[in-house]
Amino acid sequence: GQQLNQSPQSMFIQEGEDVSMNCTSSSIFNTWLWYKQDPGEGPVLLIALYKAGELTSNGRLTAQFGITRKDSFLNISASIPSDVGIYFCAGQLDRDSWGKLQFGAGTQVVVTP
Amino acid sequence: NAGVTQTPKFRILKIGQSMTLQCTQDMNHNYMYWYRQDPGMGLKLIYYSVGAGITDKGEVPNGYNVSRSTTEDFPLRLELAAPSQTSVYFCASSYGWDSNQPQHFGDGTRLSIL
Repeated sequence: GQQLNQSPQSMFIQEGEDVSMNCTSSSIFNTWLWYKQDPGEGPVLLIALYKAGELTSNGRLTAQFGITRKDSFLNISASIPSDVGIYFCAGQLDRDSWGKLQFGAGTQVVVTP
Repeated sequence: NAGVTQTPKFRILKIGQSMTLQCTQDMNHNYMYWYRQDPGMGLKLIYYSVGAGITDKGEVPNGYNVSRSTTEDFPLRLELAAPSQTSVYFCASSYGWDSNQPQHFGDGTRLSIL
């Protein structure tokens, strides 16, 4: 079954506000990935994290790989309307997983003007 | 610059019908994957392939079959469609299995079984 717990399930925020979401797991992950999915499209990779404690930014997005390797968070600063979408975390258990990813259930972000 | 292309984009099937979801990639990626996405859920891996002629089961393979005769194509077949297979199906590809080789996704096929 699904091993990743992603929260919150949805967020309704005003333009300009910061957004924070996280994923936790009962298992240790080798890699954490954050994807965004726009309506009618496939997920697009935002940030990839490969080391425990790693903090990586991509524009207004910042993500961290938790020290315990069982969690990760994503922050979006100063949200804009195009940030609307579903954000998914994904993790790879270990090198023997052959690229197989476990996905969280997603966080739906709605940005109001 | 096509990337991963899935066809059809939408399809409605009757229970018991069969169909093939097509997926092709032009990035010369070795690894290809099929996922399904149910409402309010994350993607679940159905099948994957590490190269032409090699396929393996993912988390939810029952009711599906795949083949990989070429590097570019990775079709997914439903033999006897059931309502539980109503979902959005995503194909993805990556250059390798290493975590440094991120997966690229197609735009999905929305399938309804009635």
